[in-house]
Amino acid sequence: AQKVTQAQTEISVVEKEDVTLDCVYETRDTTYYLFWYKQPPSGELVFLIRRNSFDEQNEISGRYSWNFQKSTSSFNFTITASQVVDSAVYFCALRTLGSARQLTFGSGTQLTVLP
Amino acid sequence: GAGVSQSPSNKVTEKGKDVELRCDPISGHTALYWYRQRLGQGLEFLIYFQGNSAPDKSGLPSDRFSAERTGESVSTLTIQRTQQEDSAVYLCASSFLQGAYEQYFGPGTRLTVT
Repeated sequence: AQKVTQAQTEISVVEKEDVTLDCVYETRDTTYYLFWYKQPPSGELVFLIRRNSFDEQNEISGRYSWNFQKSTSSFNFTITASQVVDSAVYFCALRTLGSARQLTFGSGTQLTVLP
Repeated sequence: GAGVSQSPSNKVTEKGKDVELRCDPISGHTALYWYRQRLGQGLEFLIYFQGNSAPDKSGLPSDRFSAERTGESVSTLTIQRTQQEDSAVYLCASSFLQGAYEQYFGPGTRLTVT
């Protein structure tokens, strides 16, 4: 069985602060893929990043960065210099090749960036 | 290009009625997924279609739920004899093939059963 845990239900920060969203996953498969999605108030899920289990290199995209650590089964997401438009629910998800094809989602973290 | 589209965007129905939700995937995407998102919660997998293969129905919560897909195009999710606990946002996603490819989501259909 696979599982994704996002322990932070809600986070509030003031604009320009940095914020890290935690994601811990569980799987017995050696090949798997991790994803982050953003769900703004409009409701539509927006794909942010995909990372495969063989690539532990951290990635930076503008103000976004991701820290993948297999040793702790974590795939954390950091937003630098947060902006009000970053306010959304962020979901971490896991997909393996050995089991069903669907994404297993965490319960999400509601991020509120205050002006 | 066009993204995943879903209709209707909102649906209010009386308990016991049947509803049909529609999903148009991104052109060229062979894989299609349905998820359910209850208020304030994460997404629950319902069903998966890949080309002409038999669908993976392992996430359907009861036999009141069914889905169809014609080839690699439109899919319809049907809920029979709706119950209040069926109230949720139903999200459709599509992707190239399967495996690593990211899924692109539609805007969802908000279903309210009164």
